[in-house]
Amino acid sequence: GAGVSQSPSNKVTEKGKDVELRCDPISGHTALYWYRQSLGQGLEFLIYFQGNSAPDKSGLPSDRFSAERTGGSVSTLTIQRTQQEDSAVYLCASSLSRRGPETQYFGPGTRLLVL
Amino acid sequence: AQSVTQLDSQVPVFEEAPVELRCNYSSSVSVYLFWYVQYPNQGLQLLLKYLSGSTLVKGINGFEAEFNKSQTSFHLRKPSVHISDTAEYFCAVMGSNYQLIWGAGTKLIIKP
Repeated sequence: GAGVSQSPSNKVTEKGKDVELRCDPISGHTALYWYRQSLGQGLEFLIYFQGNSAPDKSGLPSDRFSAERTGGSVSTLTIQRTQQEDSAVYLCASSLSRRGPETQYFGPGTRLLVL
Repeated sequence: AQSVTQLDSQVPVFEEAPVELRCNYSSSVSVYLFWYVQYPNQGLQLLLKYLSGSTLVKGINGFEAEFNKSQTSFHLRKPSVHISDTAEYFCAVMGSNYQLIWGAGTKLIIKP
C-alpha cells in the first residue's frame, strides 16, 4: 500500500519567510510524528499527534514552529520567519497508535534550505 | 532523561567481512529499542526492533541485534556485508511518550 508521503521534497526560501510542509500519513494510522534531521543536531523529535487528542509539542524548538492535523489525517508543519538554522530535512512518520511501542514508518522528508 | 550513544560515526569494513555497529542507551523506563537504516538519498527504514522477549532480534537484510540489559547496549551485527549495505544506521530508544530518541548515526562504509 501507499507509504507516508511528504511535500514538497525540496524547499528553498529566504530568511524571514514562512514555509508550510505537508505530510500524508499511511491510511488508518492514527499517530503522526514530525522529526528534524540536521547536520548540527542529528535527528530530533518535534511534535506528535494521536487521533483527536491534543498534540505533544514538547520537541518544538521555538514558538515560530507550529503544526496542525486536519481530520486526523494530513498534517502541516509551519515555520514562521524562517532562520538559517532551520535548514534541515523535516521527516514525518506515522504509526498505528501511540498507545504502545508501534513501528513508525517514515516519509522521504522535505529538505528545507533557508538562504 | 533517555539518551542513545552511537560510539562510532563511521565504520569502514571490507566487503564480505563481519561488522558490528555499537549502540548504548540510557533509560529509566521500559526499554523499546530500534535500528533504522537510511540509504543514500532515501528515507528511514526499520531494520529491527526489540520490545520484549528474546534478547536476540533478527531483522531484514541479514542484520541482527542483541539487547544486553546489564551493559545497556543494543549492538547491530551482520556476519558478511555487501556493497549494498552502504548506508547510515541509526539506533533509537522509544521515549515515555512513544517518540523516538535517536543516536547520532553510524555511516557504514564498505570497501571493495
